[in-house]
Amino acid sequence: AQRVTQPEKLLSVFKGAPVELKCNYSYSGSPELFWYVQYSRQRLQLLLRHISRESIKGFTADLNKGETSFHLKKPFAQEEDSAMYYCALRGDGGATNKLIFGTGTLLAVQP
Amino acid sequence: NAGVMQNPRHLVRRRGQEARLRCSPMKGHSHVYWYRQLPEEGLKFMVYLQKENIIDESGMPKERFSAEFPKEGPSILRIQQVVRGDSAAYFCASSQGQGPKNIQYFGAGTRLSVL
Repeated sequence: AQRVTQPEKLLSVFKGAPVELKCNYSYSGSPELFWYVQYSRQRLQLLLRHISRESIKGFTADLNKGETSFHLKKPFAQEEDSAMYYCALRGDGGATNKLIFGTGTLLAVQP
Repeated sequence: NAGVMQNPRHLVRRRGQEARLRCSPMKGHSHVYWYRQLPEEGLKFMVYLQKENIIDESGMPKERFSAEFPKEGPSILRIQQVVRGDSAAYFCASSQGQGPKNIQYFGAGTRLSVL
């Protein structure tokens, strides 16, 4: 079964501390992995995806196929990073383009 | 580019009424997706449409729910005879095409409350 697991509902850190938001997935083929972010009162927006291999707003994520993980990391958290973060997967087969989302992690960065 | 537009933002219906949710994709996008988010849960895929065609409806409940994306006008998600369990946030996304290079852009959502 295709599944995305985000084990933490809430992650609270202090400003300047490192951040790691965990994401594990279950998929038999070669999926695409994404991180979407939703800031307060804003729409869901793409933060980054594994095929781009880029850093956005200081965040990076590496796809680890052996551990089936796609954890999101940032070395020094900022208050403006406080938001809801969703990990998502898109399969590699068939006509469907659907995204499978995790339940999300609320990141709260304390001053 | 105004982005993906959904309306209404909030919709209140009584049990048994019909709910119609509208989604206008980004300019140049011909692929539309609907997702539902129940309280305390992540977004769950419902249906994927291209102009005038349903490509994947594997996430749609078998009864009372339907979706369309006509040649002209917005995509419509229709829920007949709503029940309290239909209360959720419904998100629409659009993309230019399909495949690895196509990103889904999301609307702000419609929050449906069934009394």
